[in-house]
Parts: sequence; structure tokens; C-alpha cells
Amino acid sequence: VQLVESGGGLVQPGGSVRLSCAASGFTFNIYTMIWVRQAPGKGLEWLSYISSSGSTIYYADSVKGRFTISRDNAKNSLYLQMDSLKDEDTALYYCARRLRALVSSQYFYKMDVWGQGTTVTVSS
Amino acid sequence: AIQMTQSPSSLSASVGDRVTITCRASQGIRNDLGWYQQKPGKAPKLLIYAASSLQSGVPSRFSGSGSGTDFTLTISSLQPEDFATYYCLQDHDYPNTFGQGTKLEIK
Repeated sequence: VQLVESGGGLVQPGGSVRLSCAASGFTFNIYTMIWVRQAPGKGLEWLSYISSSGSTIYYADSVKGRFTISRDNAKNSLYLQMDSLKDEDTALYYCARRLRALVSSQYFYKMDVWGQGTTVTVSS
Repeated sequence: AIQMTQSPSSLSASVGDRVTITCRASQGIRNDLGWYQQKPGKAPKLLIYAASSLQSGVPSRFSGSGSGTDFTLTISSLQPEDFATYYCLQDHDYPNTFGQGTKLEIK
């Protein structure tokens, strides 16, 4: 079971980049997925969620309208299209799997598998 | 958005100590809370889900409690490998939100 992010790099302010997250070792198309980032020396920030089919999507206010999450279940891949990038988007970006768990007859979710992250640096 | 207030932001403790980290939600979140451990240069690792359920493979010295707005992560007897940063994450409503983190350091 593995998630591997790629696509990070140096981008100019106002520019765009597309991150990918390749899944392996599990049935990707039944899992919901998320993106999380961590700015240098800072805490974790939840960014976005996508349902297993891709039909339901949520974003953090900080990236809404600029970032687009998507997935290709045929390719076992998750994506994050990042547009209109700002200096404050500089961070390590993680994808994570959301696993449903049954606890005391109720369903809960846990982020049980994480990638190693890919770094995006926004700078001129 | 639901705000998660985590405390303390940092904590110094010794091997063998019992430590407690708390998270408070700005509104009720049922038991939709997880605790994650992060070591420098590594991805977060799930410790606790559904507020009090121990993730498979995580040592039993870790435990979680709470419901509604107040939650606690307890490490019963600190081990050298436990010195790390800990985060809570609410998964009750979107956008999900993390606490600010608690850096646990060796005294």
C-alpha cells in the first residue's frame, strides 16, 4: 500500500503546477482522498477532499477558486491543479487515503496512508 | 469553519513521563477526531481515530478520549521514539481542520 506524490518544483508567483499522487497496493477507486500541506516550519493544513467517484469535492477557504482536485481511477491517480500561486503556497504537499472504519455501530474516517510529500516553492 | 484549538503548543517531558495533549473544537464534532504524530522530515502517522480508537500497530501507551468539543491524547509512559509533533484533525465537517500542533521535546 503506497502513495507517491510528484510534480512539485519551483514556480513563479501567479503560475501554475499540477501535483500527482500515484496509488498502488490497494483498490484506489473505492477510497476517498485528501490533500494536506505543510509550509516550512509550520503545522499541517487540510486543503481538499474528493469522493471515490470524484463527484463530491471540498476545499479549504485558502485555496478555493485557485486549486482543483481531481482523480483518474483508471490510472490510480489523484491530482491537485494549483493556479494563481502565491508565495504563501510554498509548502510540502501530501496526499492521503481516507479509510472508513466502523466503531460502535457508527462509521468514522481515518487518514491511514500518506505519501512522502512533494515540495512546491513559489518564488520569483 | 470549525476551529481546533490545541494545547500546549510545546511540551518538555522526560522518558517515562505521562503526558496529555488537548484539543478543543469551536463546535461539537461528535467523535470525529483523529490524532497524528509527525517526526521531522516524515509524513504524519495516524495514532488514534474516532477520538479513542487505537490504530492498528500503534503502541497501547497511546490513548485518546473525549467527545463533542473536548478531546485528549495521552501517552502513558513516554518512550524516546515518542518525541515528535502531534496534531489533532477534525473530520466532522468540511473543511476539515487541524489543531496547531504540539511539539513534544525531551527535557
